[in-house]
Amino acid sequence: SAVISQKPSRDICQRGTSLTIQCQVDSQVTMMFWYRQQPGQSLTLIATANQGSEATYESGFVIDKFPISRPNLTFSTLTVSNMSPEDSSIYLCSVVGTASTDTQYFGPGTRLTVL
Amino acid sequence: EDKVVQSPLSLVVHEGDTVTLNCSYEVTNFRSLLWYKQEKKAPTFLFMLTSSGIEKKSGRLSSILDKKELSSILNITATQTGDSAIYLCAYSGGSNYKLTFGKGTLLTVNP
Repeated sequence: SAVISQKPSRDICQRGTSLTIQCQVDSQVTMMFWYRQQPGQSLTLIATANQGSEATYESGFVIDKFPISRPNLTFSTLTVSNMSPEDSSIYLCSVVGTASTDTQYFGPGTRLTVL
Repeated sequence: EDKVVQSPLSLVVHEGDTVTLNCSYEVTNFRSLLWYKQEKKAPTFLFMLTSSGIEKKSGRLSSILDKKELSSILNITATQTGDSAIYLCAYSGGSNYKLTFGKGTLLTVNP
């Protein structure tokens, strides 16, 4: 499977600020996703990052709050904008495997704490 | 609304015990059922089960899909402290390939 890295690994931010999380894959992948895991909760899909076009957002998530870029097939960014304490979560990017489009492999995650 | 329910929510066992984790799903367009192990932050892929592959095994871990009962189990035999983690069940269906996760089972294996 592809090797996925995320930066930063963790951050502590002040409310009202924005943070951009990077996801880098060591090979080209067709599909990339961004998930959020709030404390004590399971993973929830934020959006599908589409290369060369606007991301596809899930219900409850909007582009103004979570803008996503995907300039090529190995890289994507997720920005958490105008943060509040409720945005404190683990943010994870994932990619689809080559053997099956149903299998997703996750990056190491970014732990965000908003004060 | 499609959903995934896992049970138990938490489980504490001793090393050497065998555990069975449960996952049930109610979905309209089922394609596959996946199990992940989450330690710290990143979920690690364990198994994918489909209608053409309803049983998987890897070492001490095995999983079975029951399409009639819309459920799956994950078995871990001879548990070790390194098995302590959250085990997540997810399904894939529909056209966008997103995964819908259950809340997970927190497994604690004591020495």
